Amino acid sequence: DAGVIQSPRHEVTEMGQEVTLRCKPISGHNSLFWYRQTMMRGLELLIYFNNNVPIDDSGMPEDRFSAKMPNASFSTLKIQPSEPRDSAVYFCASTNRGGTEAFFGQGTRLTVV
Amino acid sequence: AQSVTQPDIHITVSEGASLELRCNYSYGATPYLFWYVQSPGQGLQLLLKYFSGDTLVQGIKGFEAEFKRSQSSFNLRKPSVHWSDAAEYFCAVGASGGSYIPTFGRGTSLIVHP
Repeated sequence: DAGVIQSPRHEVTEMGQEVTLRCKPISGHNSLFWYRQTMMRGLELLIYFNNNVPIDDSGMPEDRFSAKMPNASFSTLKIQPSEPRDSAVYFCASTNRGGTEAFFGQGTRLTVV
Repeated sequence: AQSVTQPDIHITVSEGASLELRCNYSYGATPYLFWYVQSPGQGLQLLLKYFSGDTLVQGIKGFEAEFKRSQSSFNLRKPSVHWSDAAEYFCAVGASGGSYIPTFGRGTSLIVHP
């Protein structure tokens, strides 16, 4: 398996623009996580899906952030409108059913100028 | 709520020296505990994990960790560090039972001197 695939790897956008980050989990995995990594706050869990259903989105910082998982093989994290303080590395991770190891993608480095 | 503390932001060791990275956790029940490594520009890779049983767990790349319930600790060790071990190391705790949601510490940056 190719592992968890995230795109794009790097994104530079202007403040106010919409940004969409994409994630393809490992085939057969039924749980998916979005994390944000910054120097100030470390790794923060944004949202967690189980069987394509959002279970816990308490980590989503504000209404500008939204996430979807339309099927088992694809998820998006959207920021609209983007702000400079959203600059971070965003990671997607997946685990299998009853799984006890999260497999991480290589991340998307987002820069909002 | 579960939480993890990694008290050392940076650790510097010489190549060939031994290493211990500290991790303390807070969780009301028996935790699942993990150590991940992150190389620059990369995602996180699992080094080892503890769920139950033997409190000394072996991982990849020659790493081991010991779970000490009385100290709420899960320290990572390696007897002889290689230059390629330079990276960011994250300790994580997850709720036991079913699929877990890992909560990460702030990480420890390992610097290896030749």
